[in-house]
Amino acid sequence: GAGVSQSPSNKVTEKGKDVELRCDPISGHTALYWYRQSLGQGLEFLIYFQGNSAPDKSGLPSDRFSAERTGGSVSTLTIQRTQQEDSAVYLCASSLRGGSNQPQHFGDGTRLSIL
Amino acid sequence: DAKTTQPPSMDCAEGRAANLPCNHSTISGNEYVYWYRQIHSQGPQYIIHGLKNNETNEMASLIITEDRKSSTLILPHATLRDTAVYYCIVRSFGGTSYGKLTFGQGTILTVHP
Repeated sequence: GAGVSQSPSNKVTEKGKDVELRCDPISGHTALYWYRQSLGQGLEFLIYFQGNSAPDKSGLPSDRFSAERTGGSVSTLTIQRTQQEDSAVYLCASSLRGGSNQPQHFGDGTRLSIL
Repeated sequence: DAKTTQPPSMDCAEGRAANLPCNHSTISGNEYVYWYRQIHSQGPQYIIHGLKNNETNEMASLIITEDRKSSTLILPHATLRDTAVYYCIVRSFGGTSYGKLTFGQGTILTVHP
């Protein structure tokens, strides 16, 4: 079956612009996670969805970052007024359900470059 | 989540077993040990996980010590395609954790011919 799909795979934009990153989780997976991987920072958690609700937003670095999930499936991560420090690979993962020992499966990420 | 300690790099000859150690001396009783790997330009790939018993799947074996303070990931016959960064993660559930993964720096495994 299909894995986690993320789009676009690469995004280059100018500082100050807004960007939207999309994640299609594995079908039937109710839990969805966003992570960010940047040079020198490693892989860091951003937000967790169970269904359409986000009980853990603790990793979002600023109020310029937001995410939503509709229909318990697709999720969109939005970054407003992008800054150069937002340049990173944004990774999405899904699992059958959150709060359990079901493994998370990752997509290949969106590489975001802010000029 | 309990902190993990891994060697920054290891080498292995193709065809040999690769044994990757991980120390997690502060692990709690309800925390699982997970292993992921990341090949350049790809997302992390799930390998295996366990609580206290040894586990084996088609990719690898996980050996957890009886006191659960350390574990070893074993790739029985390493190939060049196993060259990657390997992450050992202690994952907790409940409370506000929700099972998020906390990645450290991992071990860069290089398999050479």
